[in-house]
Amino acid sequence: QQQVKQSPQSLIVQKGGISIINCAYENTAFDYFPWYQQFPGKGPALLIAIRPDVSEKKEGRFTISFNKSAKQFSLHIMDSQPGDSATYFCAASMNYGGATNKLIFGTGTLLAVQP
Amino acid sequence: KAGVTQTPRYLIKTRGQQVTLSCSPISGHRSVSWYQQTPGQGLQFLFEYFSETQRNKGNFPGRFSGRQFSNSRSEMNVSTLELGDSALYLCASLAGTQNTEAFFGQGTRLTVV
Repeated sequence: QQQVKQSPQSLIVQKGGISIINCAYENTAFDYFPWYQQFPGKGPALLIAIRPDVSEKKEGRFTISFNKSAKQFSLHIMDSQPGDSATYFCAASMNYGGATNKLIFGTGTLLAVQP
Repeated sequence: KAGVTQTPRYLIKTRGQQVTLSCSPISGHRSVSWYQQTPGQGLQFLFEYFSETQRNKGNFPGRFSGRQFSNSRSEMNVSTLELGDSALYLCASLAGTQNTEAFFGQGTRLTVV
């Protein structure tokens, strides 16, 4: 129940295309769903996050779509660029009565954007 | 604002030794959490500290411990190192309502030989 399942494991997209990464969860107590971007040799960087009370959130070229009934959420990268090539992680967390931020991470998606 | 600072960046230790890793959170942030990242297990939660108190702990053996100081700086310690402890150890500085936003440092790459 604590797992977050992420797919695909790897993704190759042409420059200018749309990259789509999907995640699914079981625990309905999760109330915060962030996406992280990680480049080799660096720590994960917070990209965008959503809470279950909204179905979509957009920041620049990055959009999270959230389907509460299906317990799924996805990251869409519009107009993908070679500089977007990185590993992307979805995550989920819940409020442990004030002690929060135990993030449960997906297994990651290695995105390669070809020029 | 300076980001999260983790030291050292790289460490090589021998089995059986112990190691201490350090993390300075973003100025003004009072909560930090630690994660272990390995190719096999991915990113796993170790523990979270707020105002010098451990608020949450992941499913790791007692060899893994941590603490937080009054200036919010945090350390984690691993005793009796095993080969399987080789990993990237990440510290996150927490912000936002209910400390949900986690900003990670570059990590400490620990290699146990």
